[in-house]
Amino acid sequence: AQSVTQLGSHVSVSEGALVLLRCNYSSSVPPYLFWYVQYPNQGLQLLLKYTSAATLVKGINGFEAEFKKSETSFHLTKPSAHMSDAAEYFCAVTRSSKIIFGSGTRLSIRP
Amino acid sequence: EAGVAQSPRYKIIEKRQSVAFWCNPISGHATLYWYQQILGQGPKLLIQFQNNGVVDDSQLPKDRFSAERLKGVDSTLKIQPAKLEDSAVYLCASSSEGNYGYTFGSGTRLTVV
Repeated sequence: AQSVTQLGSHVSVSEGALVLLRCNYSSSVPPYLFWYVQYPNQGLQLLLKYTSAATLVKGINGFEAEFKKSETSFHLTKPSAHMSDAAEYFCAVTRSSKIIFGSGTRLSIRP
Repeated sequence: EAGVAQSPRYKIIEKRQSVAFWCNPISGHATLYWYQQILGQGPKLLIQFQNNGVVDDSQLPKDRFSAERLKGVDSTLKIQPAKLEDSAVYLCASSSEGNYGYTFGSGTRLTVV
């Protein structure tokens, strides 16, 4: 069964530093993978999705993720963190047309 | 296009009371989902509708939760009676078939006291 594991429930980086949020998936078939962001008291907003086209996926707000089949990973990166990036980030995989979410990583940005 | 609409945004009730949430999906989206998000956790699927039929309700606590999607458009989720552990954000999402483009509403934050 498809599932995702997010490594690190909380990540803190300095403003301007690289952001790296880790996600590993388990899937018996090629998966569709997603990253969502959730700001306080708001719903989930799609950052990017992988649907078996290009392995490097570019999303909104300068984020991108790379699908690595050999490592079963789909890590989210951003070259330079901004204060407005502080939020909760969820990795997700589809299974039978449903989205299954990881437990989330809270990103904090230090001035 | 208009997003997924949910109401109310916030609700506080006492345990053993009943509560209902409403969701209006994006026009034309055949599939509708209800998720429960407990503080500090990822969203957990409660129920999935395809048009007005239930596709998956295996995670729905059917002794107290119920949901319907009359006419295949908007949907209501009900809890009766509520327990303290039902305190969570209830998210509604919709998607068009085969698109894998899921759109989420802003959610209803339920507090049971």
